[in-house]
Amino acid sequence: DSGVTQTPKHLITATGQRVTLRCSPRSGDLSVYWYQQSLDQGLQFLIQYYNGEERAKGNILERFSAQQFPDLHSELNLSSLELGDSALYFCASSVGDRESTEAFFGQGTRLTVV
Amino acid sequence: AQSVTQPDIHITVSEGASLELRCNYSYGATPYLFWYVQSPGQGLQLLLKYFSGDTLVQGIKGFEAEFKRSQSSFNLRKPSVHWSDAAEYFCAVGDGGYNKLIFGAGTRLAVHP
Repeated sequence: DSGVTQTPKHLITATGQRVTLRCSPRSGDLSVYWYQQSLDQGLQFLIQYYNGEERAKGNILERFSAQQFPDLHSELNLSSLELGDSALYFCASSVGDRESTEAFFGQGTRLTVV
Repeated sequence: AQSVTQPDIHITVSEGASLELRCNYSYGATPYLFWYVQSPGQGLQLLLKYFSGDTLVQGIKGFEAEFKRSQSSFNLRKPSVHWSDAAEYFCAVGDGGYNKLIFGAGTRLAVHP
């Protein structure tokens, strides 16, 4: 158990819908990262927050947004869902915001868009 | 652009045999390099990391990796594979100083008894 909690574990929704994925980082970790793992794109970095502020952005679609709340949990919002958004979404957390601090991954939320 | 290449998509080894998983990276500066393992239905677990110093790094579960700058490689090795090592292995490079990881496509390891 990495200490990073992601809910829900599985999500099935229809095209055009909106969903929210939630991540609770390890106690004491200030950074939260979101990654998408799909069969065709592999593991891709989406976005990072550090202590409530956006720190780095990757290949995140405009239909997706994220935020980190004062209690440090984070939410990834996916809207106008398409079949191609079906993937495993990982959250990771680390103490700091640099590579020198290890990132711990949650078990992921598997999103299926039908 | 930064990238990570794992040339082998699938590898099958016999239990007790040695293992080497290949990883090549493209990065302009001194890279921060990582190996993660993903078991079925699980998240990613860090096996080891290289930031600087000794080019041979030891990790958990008996794994080690060697950084070779001249070859832009960071290959993962284990002298004797156990059936429980069957999983998918990802090499990654830290990009931009903010723990943003660029992952390779992964190598799926199967272990025969």
